[in-house]
Amino acid sequence: KNQVEQSPQSLIILEGKNCTLQCNYTVSPFSNLRWYKQDTGRGPVSLTIMTFSENTKSNGRYTATLDADTKQSSLHITASQLSDSASYICVVSARQAGTALIFGKGTTLSVSS
Amino acid sequence: DAMVIQNPRYQVTQFGKPVTLSCSQTLNHNVMYWYQQKSSQAPKLLFHYYDKDFNNEADTPDNFQSRRPNTSFCFLDIRSPGLGDAAMYLCATSRGTVGEQFFGPGTRLTVL
Repeated sequence: KNQVEQSPQSLIILEGKNCTLQCNYTVSPFSNLRWYKQDTGRGPVSLTIMTFSENTKSNGRYTATLDADTKQSSLHITASQLSDSASYICVVSARQAGTALIFGKGTTLSVSS
Repeated sequence: DAMVIQNPRYQVTQFGKPVTLSCSQTLNHNVMYWYQQKSSQAPKLLFHYYDKDFNNEADTPDNFQSRRPNTSFCFLDIRSPGLGDAAMYLCATSRGTVGEQFFGPGTRLTVL
């Protein structure tokens, strides 16, 4: 069964600290993996998208990694800011016909001052 | 800026009173999606349009309908909203079904 599991479910960190969010998936055949940031009451906004051959991709203070062998991805946030408080959703696309996006339940990050 | 726009951002309706949510896009994407997202849950795909072809997910209730009069607009109709339909409704678009999906800001539906 195609699944995406994220951990931790929630995380609280102090402003300026770094953090890493985890995503494990069992989606097959794999097409790509995306990390989205969703602010409360808003739609998800894409941070990164990685295909099978990509190991790491950065977007400002956000760096995503992908290990296609172990089917794991991480999102590292450097020097966190209050505006980073949001839900971070890992979404994996299966290489097949149709829409086949499998969403994780997200990690809720709270950055406090 | 090219974008996905949803109106209204907040919608309050009464139990059983039909409601329509609107989505428009300036990306000229040929695929448009509607998702339902309840609190602390992942978005759940309701249906999508590939050009003019409507594709319903198997577990989407009949209470939910959609219309796409042209490339730019797509509507979500809830014929008889129940309390369980209170949720955030997200519209997304993509170029083909394997292209990256761009989401709108969502419409928060409250059912009284």
